[in-house]
Amino acid sequence: EPEVTQTPSHQVTQMGQEVILRCVPISNHLYFYWYRQILGQKVEFLVSFYNNEISEKSEIFDDQFSVERPDGSNFTLKIRSTKLEDSAMYFCASRGGISNGYTFGSGTRLTVV
Amino acid sequence: DQQVKQNSPSLSVQEGRISILNCDYTNSMFDYFLWYKKYPAEGPTFLISISSIKDKNEDGRFTVFLNKSAKHLSLHIVPSQPGDSAVYFCAASETSGSRLTFGEGTQLTVNP
Repeated sequence: EPEVTQTPSHQVTQMGQEVILRCVPISNHLYFYWYRQILGQKVEFLVSFYNNEISEKSEIFDDQFSVERPDGSNFTLKIRSTKLEDSAMYFCASRGGISNGYTFGSGTRLTVV
Repeated sequence: DQQVKQNSPSLSVQEGRISILNCDYTNSMFDYFLWYKKYPAEGPTFLISISSIKDKNEDGRFTVFLNKSAKHLSLHIVPSQPGDSAVYFCAASETSGSRLTFGEGTQLTVNP
């Protein structure tokens, strides 16, 4: 069964450093998303991406965050200057069409120290 | 953000019995609802969904019920199996394509 692949599975970074989280969505999917889950809290929406541009973003997705689809297969989330409170599990998801369900990746655990 | 709430952090049932997981929402603009299952170290896995024009959707052992007037939905699993033990998330969106708003999750444990 097709799956969404995320790398790395765990990333430790120093506060203030830039980090890039990588995702390979399902190949024929058109809609891409990032969600995160801080330990003990709900899964939260960050951003959605369609047709090479952001279609929706949450209040969390400030200027420190950016997304890119640099080629036909990867979808990345960049955090420019990480803060302690960015520590969370980050999930990438993709969807084939407007009425299709999301497929989530296994997540990247980001730890900011 | 209390728009989607799962009031039971955990539920324990015997194998073969029915599991009922509940979810309440406050945003009347939500019209598409989903249930996800999550195992440790994995991402959420889609289980079943329902749009607001229906009050029931069934897929094998899983049935979702929607009560729009009460802003309540529930997931029934019959019969429950030990492999169903996982965290179950309720999620909602304003259309079938827009952002998902998740509940806190309910840890289901099915005992052999």
